[in-house]
Amino acid sequence: AQSVTQLDSQVPVFEEAPVELRCNYSSSVSVYLFWYVQYPNQGLQLLLKYLSGSTLVKGINGFEAEFNKSQTSFHLRKPSVHISDTAEYFCAVITTGTASKLTFGTGTRLQVTL
Amino acid sequence: GAVVSQHPSWVICKSGTSVKIECRSLDFQATTMFWYRQFPKQSLMLMATSNEGSKATYEQGVEKDKFLINHASLTLSTLTVTSAHPEDSSFYICSARAPSGGLGEQYFGPGTRLTVT
Repeated sequence: AQSVTQLDSQVPVFEEAPVELRCNYSSSVSVYLFWYVQYPNQGLQLLLKYLSGSTLVKGINGFEAEFNKSQTSFHLRKPSVHISDTAEYFCAVITTGTASKLTFGTGTRLQVTL
Repeated sequence: GAVVSQHPSWVICKSGTSVKIECRSLDFQATTMFWYRQFPKQSLMLMATSNEGSKATYEQGVEKDKFLINHASLTLSTLTVTSAHPEDSSFYICSARAPSGGLGEQYFGPGTRLTVT
């Protein structure tokens, strides 16, 4: 079975500073990886996804993530955050053979302050 | 983008009563809908997958007689929590996938917070 670990439950950062949200996964088969964002009182929104090809994936709102197979990681990064990036971020994985079922991490709360 | 709504956004009910939560895809037809449950500080847990016009497929450990799912149309799925108990209190989230949706392309509702007293 696959699993997703987000070690940081909260990440405080000042506006315009860079940020990295960590995600590690465990799976014995090939995976597809996703990052979702949840703003207060809204549904989850897809930020970016890795299916195949280039390991550096660019998403919406200036975010990017890099798939590292050897380290089984898919960390999310942004070079300069804004107040509006304050939200809950979820890493998720689909493994081959799971009929497109997403397995989520526990989420990381990104808190951006002035 | 595609929008999924849920109603109600929050509900309080007494132990032993039933509660129905609606999930609607507003601007697309959803052949597949998913229901998740989220506990505080925990990840979303898939409860069941439903396809329009057929019975839902429940994940292991989820009581299908307690959590009734109906996907009667391409834009509406309902989750009914029957004979609710305090331990059913949680945040319930639905998501929908369009026929043309790619891998992982699920559109999520804003969630429904259920409190059972």
